[in-house]
Amino acid sequence: NAGVTQTPKFQVLKTGQSMTLQCAQDMNHEYMSWYRQDPGMGLRLIHYSVGAGITDQGEVPNGYNVSRSTTEDFPLRLLSAAPSQTSVYFCASSYLPWDRPYGYTFGSGTRLTVV
Amino acid sequence: AQKVTQAQTEISVVEKEDVTLDCVYETRDTTYYLFWYKQPPSGELVFLIRRNSFDEQNEISGRYSWNFQKSTSSFNFTITASQVVDSAVYFCAPLPPSGGSYIPTFGRGTSLIVHP
Repeated sequence: NAGVTQTPKFQVLKTGQSMTLQCAQDMNHEYMSWYRQDPGMGLRLIHYSVGAGITDQGEVPNGYNVSRSTTEDFPLRLLSAAPSQTSVYFCASSYLPWDRPYGYTFGSGTRLTVV
Repeated sequence: AQKVTQAQTEISVVEKEDVTLDCVYETRDTTYYLFWYKQPPSGELVFLIRRNSFDEQNEISGRYSWNFQKSTSSFNFTITASQVVDSAVYFCAPLPPSGGSYIPTFGRGTSLIVHP
């Protein structure tokens, strides 16, 4: 089925470890983004991309890296995990939001715990 | 600076009651979109609807209706005859004009609990 595929669904890391959260979409969406969701904080944007080779920072980018080598994939890298990065992470994609404002399609989320 | 506020943190109703969720978007922009998303207890996020700031007419879709009050920049989302399956967190997300940013900012969400 078409949509946004996010892996893994669950992950436990030790402080200082690195890892990559994977996100792939097959809808030919130009726009992709990563959010983290913490209790009472809503969804906060980490990084986003408006096309292959183009990325930019969101509201809470520190400690995370992204790249967009293809239209389909937008991985999120945690460089050195910290307990403050314990959260639920969502990947979202859409057409360019202002050009074709059809709303985001979200992945199913990754629950990350850093101990 | 632009600011989106969902002042209602949690709403609890009994099934079949009507319930209204509020979202206020403070901005100097006169044209923008506002999106609503639903997150049921299972955790997935689902796009519900998009509303335009330049359209003040109510929109109705089944048990859902939306109303925009331009004077207060307030978007109201009403569920008529609520059902247990409506229990979820509802997020609004305004989208500023393309001249500013591509990035929708999400409100903190309103948790709706519908009791049988």
